[in-house]
Amino acid sequence: SAVISQKPSRDICQRGTSLTIQCQVDSQVTMMFWYRQQPGQSLTLIATANQGSEATYESGFVIDKFPISRPNLTFSTLTVSNMSPEDSSIYLCSVERGFYGYTFGSGTRLTVV
Amino acid sequence: SQQGEEDPQALSIQEGENATMNCSYKTSINNLQWYRQNSGRGLVHLILIRSNEREKHSGRLRVTLDTSKKSSSLLITASRAADTASYFCATGVALRNAGGTSYGKLTFGQGTILTVHP
Repeated sequence: SAVISQKPSRDICQRGTSLTIQCQVDSQVTMMFWYRQQPGQSLTLIATANQGSEATYESGFVIDKFPISRPNLTFSTLTVSNMSPEDSSIYLCSVERGFYGYTFGSGTRLTVV
Repeated sequence: SQQGEEDPQALSIQEGENATMNCSYKTSINNLQWYRQNSGRGLVHLILIRSNEREKHSGRLRVTLDTSKKSSSLLITASRAADTASYFCATGVALRNAGGTSYGKLTFGQGTILTVHP
C-alpha cells in the first residue's frame, strides 16, 4: 500500500503570505488529490493533479489561489496563496488505491494570523 | 456541495457497546467508503463496499449498503476506548479527466464524532 509523506505538519502564517505544502508518495501514482478540512467540518476536494497536465479544480477553488504542481509521478505540491484567516484549515493530499480506498497524508494544519 | 449526510452527528457510548452510524447520499455511486480520523489527523481507510454489494465485514466492522434508499450504515461491535474518533462516509464515483485518465472521485459526508468511554 502507498505511504505518503506530507510536509509541513503544521504552520502559523501571516496573512498575505503563501505556504507550499508537499506530498511525497513512495510509489508512482497517476492521480493525486488535494482536500481542505475547515475547523470542525468534513473534507472538501480542492483539485485533482495528474502528472504532466494542469490540475482540475473543483467549484469554488481557483488556480491563482491554490496553484498545484505535479512534476513527476511521486510528488505534488499545493500552495495556499495570499492567505487570510479564512484559509485556516487542515490540508490533506491523497492517492487512490483502488479496492483499498484512498491513502491520505497526515495533513497540514494551517493557522493564518 | 457535500453529498453524504451522516447521523448522528455525535455518539457517546460505553466500552463494549455497539456503535451504529448512518450515511445517506443523493446520486448514483460506484462505491461507498468509510474512514476514521483521530484528532484532526490524516484519514484512515476502514472499508469499501461496491454498489453491487449489500454487506461487508472487516473484523469488528460491519457495513451495509442499500442503493435503493441511497443509504449505508457502519456498525462497530464491542467498541473500545481506542475507537474514539470521527468517522466519515465517502461516496466514490468513477470519472475521466480531459486527458482520458479514469479516476475515482470521493465526496465526504459531514462525519460522526464517536466517543467511547472506558
